[in-house]
Amino acid sequence: GENVEQHPSTLSVQEGDSAVIKCTYSDSASNYFPWYKQELGKRPQLIIDIRSNVGEKKDQRIAVTLNKTAKHFSLHITETQPEDSAVYFCAASMGDAGKSTFGDGTTLTVKP
Amino acid sequence: KAGVTQTPRYLIKTRGQQVTLSCSPISGHRSVSWYQQTPGQGLQFLFEYFSETQRNKGNFPGRFSGRQFSNSRSEMNVSTLELGDSALYLCASSLAAVAGELFFGEGSRLTVL
Repeated sequence: GENVEQHPSTLSVQEGDSAVIKCTYSDSASNYFPWYKQELGKRPQLIIDIRSNVGEKKDQRIAVTLNKTAKHFSLHITETQPEDSAVYFCAASMGDAGKSTFGDGTTLTVKP
Repeated sequence: KAGVTQTPRYLIKTRGQQVTLSCSPISGHRSVSWYQQTPGQGLQFLFEYFSETQRNKGNFPGRFSGRQFSNSRSEMNVSTLELGDSALYLCASSLAAVAGELFFGEGSRLTVL
């Protein structure tokens, strides 16, 4: 089955710096790659996603890049703010709606 | 529009007991999936239902089961509880039948003593 590895497991940055989280996947059939943010005690929420026919997608301070050949994708957050502090999960899926394979998460801490 | 609702939010059981968790998806969403979240383990896929049919199942023992009703509401059951079953169980619903955004509930936190 699909396997998703996520690095780093923890990331600490100063406010205003950029943060990058990387994920690799194993199954070349995966075609949908979402990123979820989970604040402490809250539910995971989608922040950005990308499909396999696109190489890059941006939404204000957040961007995701996908390299299908290397089977890896990355989350980029620019001008980080304290409210960006949370656990971020990458995921990979194909076909059916509800079945996704998640990475183990990255705890991002933005220091003011 | 109401979000995904899970009940109960918290529950404590003892080893050997069984538990049933409930999930009401967003209105119009026909796909409901369940995930187990434990510290350091991320989200592990349990199963997914679409139009009352289990389409996919993760690598969990047969003690974990589920079902979906005609109104898309879903339940999951864990029988013969073990200490290792302590976790946050998240339900997610999706509008489309194919891979897309998952809308998560707040979860049911199960503690097994």
